[in-house]
Amino acid sequence: VLVTQTPSSLPVSLGDQASISCKSSKSLVHNNGITYLAWFLQKPGQLPQSLIHTVSNRFSGVPDRFSGSGSVSDFTLKISRVEPEDLGVYYCLQYVHYPYTFGAGTKLELK
Amino acid sequence: QVQLKESGPGLVQPSQTLSLTCTVSGFSLTSNSVHWVRQPPGKGLEWVGAIWSGGSTDYNSALKSRLSISRDTSKSQVFLKMNSLQTEDTAIYFCTRLIGYWGQGVMVTVSS
Repeated sequence: VLVTQTPSSLPVSLGDQASISCKSSKSLVHNNGITYLAWFLQKPGQLPQSLIHTVSNRFSGVPDRFSGSGSVSDFTLKISRVEPEDLGVYYCLQYVHYPYTFGAGTKLELK
Repeated sequence: QVQLKESGPGLVQPSQTLSLTCTVSGFSLTSNSVHWVRQPPGKGLEWVGAIWSGGSTDYNSALKSRLSISRDTSKSQVFLKMNSLQTEDTAIYFCTRLIGYWGQGVMVTVSS
């Protein structure tokens, strides 16, 4: 399954809203009705950290300025007001079809 | 407290076999899956494979012929073995619950 993430680079100012798109070549809806799409943030030199699973559910401790939305094959991650600790590379992951596949990443950086 | 920690050689010669160990704590391997994900220097993330709570495995089809994932539940360890290594296999290898917890990763360089 091809996962296409756009844009590849997203220059922002602190306090801006940021939006990242993730589109898959197949539906990510499992037979059980659950949609398996997750978002991760990788800061420079660090391991990926989990932000959102099953499209829109934030992991414990993830600020509510992060929100995930979408359905079937078209998904979006929004950051309502970008803060300095949000800078890094964002990846989406589909985990319903084998092999699981990540998007190529979106680098969120300061203008 | 959930933790995953990778260990293994930092340098492997071309055509040789890579052996990595992931030691976990804070959760049971018989109740949770563990995945391997790798990241070549300066590039994105690639799912390598997984071992499920019941012990079955799934692999990235691009690596399947060279890859084996196994575990020792008594030691809370998961193992990755990949043979016929090439320079393109140079990467940071992470073990992870995938959705939730990640290890720090281990850098593996394939070079003579």
